[in-house]
Amino acid sequence: GAGVSQSPSNKVTEKGKDVELRCDPISGHTALYWYRQRLGQGLEFLIYFQGNSAPDKSGLPSDRFSAERTGESVSTLTIQRTQQEDSAVYLCASSLVIGGQETQYFGPGTRLLVL
Amino acid sequence: EDQVTQSPEALRLQEGESSSLNCSYTVSGLRGLFWYRQDPGKGPEFLFTLYSAGEEKEKERLKATLTKKESFLHITAPKPEDSATYLCAVYSGGSNYKLTFGKGTLLTVNP
Repeated sequence: GAGVSQSPSNKVTEKGKDVELRCDPISGHTALYWYRQRLGQGLEFLIYFQGNSAPDKSGLPSDRFSAERTGESVSTLTIQRTQQEDSAVYLCASSLVIGGQETQYFGPGTRLLVL
Repeated sequence: EDQVTQSPEALRLQEGESSSLNCSYTVSGLRGLFWYRQDPGKGPEFLFTLYSAGEEKEKERLKATLTKKESFLHITAPKPEDSATYLCAVYSGGSNYKLTFGKGTLLTVNP
């Protein structure tokens, strides 16, 4: 597609339920990132995928968060046993690294509300 | 740990009133500084990347500059459609390219 797409655009869930968020990166982009944006806060890095390398999970806030990516395509971010503090916008970005330089292009985000 | 501070948090301008947004950073070794624009309910939209002190980039009414400690986003003769949150982010190298973001500056341009 022309840009990064994410689904669903909005998700309301009850505390304790699991949620799965999806990201479709720009075709050909080898790198994919997940960020979290809480109200009034800057974007927080969550996880990074690059090709077939092991993902960098250093930003995941707890073991309730996990993410997978199939090759260089779709990625899913799963939050188990959701808590109210998980309410945020979850943003996905993809990029292509050329000559050590890269630009991340973001999707529209998934707005998650945990009641 | 990389840190990015943006100021002011919010800025109101009249149409045509030029101003600047500031992004100060503390990193172990800057590899890239990024400016993004974010409209309500949307993801960040890429504007500029700056790689070294003294570098400048322009796009329409926007001009980004970089020193060793900070970056400025200059807005010349802004229009209401320039109203958005402007985000600054840095990349300091390493095995991944994760960005560290500031909290943004909310710009409102009144007609």
